Amino acid sequence: DTGVSQNPRHKITKRGQNVTFRCDPISEHNRLYWYRQTLGQGPEFLTYFQNEAQLEKSRLLSDRFSAERPKGSFSTLEIQRTEQGDSAMYLCASSQPIRGFTEAFFGQGTRLTVV
Amino acid sequence: KNEVEQSPQNLTAQEGEFITINCSYSVGISALHWLQQHPGGGIVSLFMLSSGKKKHGRLIATINIQEKHSSLHITASHPRDSAVYICAVGVDGAGSYQLTFGKGTKLSVIP
Repeated sequence: DTGVSQNPRHKITKRGQNVTFRCDPISEHNRLYWYRQTLGQGPEFLTYFQNEAQLEKSRLLSDRFSAERPKGSFSTLEIQRTEQGDSAMYLCASSQPIRGFTEAFFGQGTRLTVV
Repeated sequence: KNEVEQSPQNLTAQEGEFITINCSYSVGISALHWLQQHPGGGIVSLFMLSSGKKKHGRLIATINIQEKHSSLHITASHPRDSAVYICAVGVDGAGSYQLTFGKGTKLSVIP
């Protein structure tokens, strides 16, 4: 396990379709985060899991978005009825506090294009 | 809420030049991350630091906790260094690690 893995790397979908992305964190990390990055902007927080519990959600996460982390391992982010405004890079990160210090690691992201 | 400012927003350099990208933040942090994002979109974590200085190859990252400022330096820049460099600051909160990102600095290195 060498890092955070995201799949797919790229996704092109038609407006109105549903899409699902997957994030596999570093195996011993109990915290997992999803971010969204639109063109020309830095990533913005979407949601956060500690183990299987979704502890925090941003107002950016509309009701068309749902995230899960069954069994506290990998996580999925689903977007229903995609809109062109959903086109962005979706970034996952995982972290683990070690002796009071947190190390966070990032996946390479999934780029979504809605046409 | 932490405000993260990067400068410059865009930077063009000649191959071989020494490059500095700056990051300032407004609230005390647990750690600061420098990330590299290539045109294809993939993000690579370059450094995570909470004090002092780290070096990896031609890349050097420094942080001054008192001044809430970090710099990323690239020595002997090369066209393959062309990318967007993003600064992110992390704060250990109540059970979570809150990350706030800067908007990035787009670097173009010309042969």
